[in-house]
Amino acid sequence: DIVMTQSPDSLAVSLGERATINCKSSQSVLYSTNNKNYLAWYQQKPGQPPKLLIYWASTRESGVPDRFSGSGSGTDFTLTISSLQAEDVAVYYCQQYYRTPRTFGQGTKLVIK
Amino acid sequence: EVQLVESGGGLVQPGGSLRLSCAASGFIFSNYWMHWVRQAPGKGPVWISRIDHDGSVRNYTDSVKGRFTISRDNAKNTLFLQMNSLRVEDTAVYYCARESDRSYEFWGQGTLVTVSS
Repeated sequence: DIVMTQSPDSLAVSLGERATINCKSSQSVLYSTNNKNYLAWYQQKPGQPPKLLIYWASTRESGVPDRFSGSGSGTDFTLTISSLQAEDVAVYYCQQYYRTPRTFGQGTKLVIK
Repeated sequence: EVQLVESGGGLVQPGGSLRLSCAASGFIFSNYWMHWVRQAPGKGPVWISRIDHDGSVRNYTDSVKGRFTISRDNAKNTLFLQMNSLRVEDTAVYYCARESDRSYEFWGQGTLVTVSS
């Protein structure tokens, strides 16, 4: 199985400041045929299902604010929130969909400092 | 509008069985692979099973193999998860999710399964 490891486990950021979450996969999730990284980022708020933010490592899902961005390739990925808003308080997960079983990171809890 | 609505969760004793359903609407159900993902209290999501368009391909995570069975009824736009020999560690919210090349862009709201004596 591909192991996904996020860092940090929790993160406190001031409103308006940048938040950065890292995700590392135990093997590459880059599909050479189409040069796409099968890596997604989700946001989850209490009592709700995960919400897709980013897919193919860097493509923003429709309706997701442009302060959210994803980067990286191969085994190392980053989710960046450029200017933290109060509504961004949540747990964030990365997930690889390159191979079954689909695997998620352990989550990063983002709070306001 | 795409909707996925799970049902069938509840409290069951260890060793018992439950059948979860996921009613799909707003899209051509038979065109998509469908998945079940669960999330234990305070933990992250964990993939448990998937099924292809017509049910001919089914995959499971190791911890549920031989105990859980995924199936679908394309005529009724419904996904199922038959869960037998339930264990305390199966306690979780169970979500159905639609697969695409964007991974899971649609999830249901989940149904809670509690396994306890």
